[in-house]
Amino acid sequence: EIVLTQSPGTLSLSPGETATLSCRASQTVNSIFFAWYQQKPGQAPRLLIYSTSSRAAGIPDRFVGSGSGTDFTLTISRLEPADFAVYYCQQYGGSPVYTFGQGTKLEIK
Amino acid sequence: QVQLVQSGAEVKKPGASVNISCKASGYTFTTYYIHWVRQVPGQGLEWVGIITPSVGSTTYSQKFHGRVTLTRDTSTSTVYMELSSLRYEDTAVYYCARELKATCYFDYWGQGTLVTVSS
Repeated sequence: EIVLTQSPGTLSLSPGETATLSCRASQTVNSIFFAWYQQKPGQAPRLLIYSTSSRAAGIPDRFVGSGSGTDFTLTISRLEPADFAVYYCQQYGGSPVYTFGQGTKLEIK
Repeated sequence: QVQLVQSGAEVKKPGASVNISCKASGYTFTTYYIHWVRQVPGQGLEWVGIITPSVGSTTYSQKFHGRVTLTRDTSTSTVYMELSSLRYEDTAVYYCARELKATCYFDYWGQGTLVTVSS
């Protein structure tokens, strides 16, 4: 089973700054089957990015996904108050097995 | 609009079973897979299993194999998750989520159902 490790665990930034979130896989991941989600307290996760770099419907272009192989990144530019949340990466590794990272909390500095 | 509406919170005793429903609307029920994902309070997301509504086939995470059963009712566009032999550590929010076939990501989620296991 592929393990996804997200870093940092917590990221403290101010509105207007740029956030860089990392997700590292224990084995090579098919980039077509790699996604990012945002979760706010008391809410279900929301799809942000699929297939590594494609934005889901309604997601602004401030959210950019990139990466390949074992290293993937979510970059959020010009942070807005609504962006402060927990972010999860997710991959599909066959079998089927779907795994998530442990999450990165983006908090206001 | 697409909606996945789940049943309400449950409180169960250890060893009991719980049955949660997820009613889909706003799209063709048989076009998408339905997954279940759980989240222990304060922790991350964990995949539980998948059902293909068109044929009823299922696959479960090894962690839950033997304790979880997914079924569906195509007449009401509803998917059900039964988790048996409940343990304290099964206390979590359980989400259903939709996947367009073979895309391997979840584009819509239910609101979540809190299952509390307590004696």
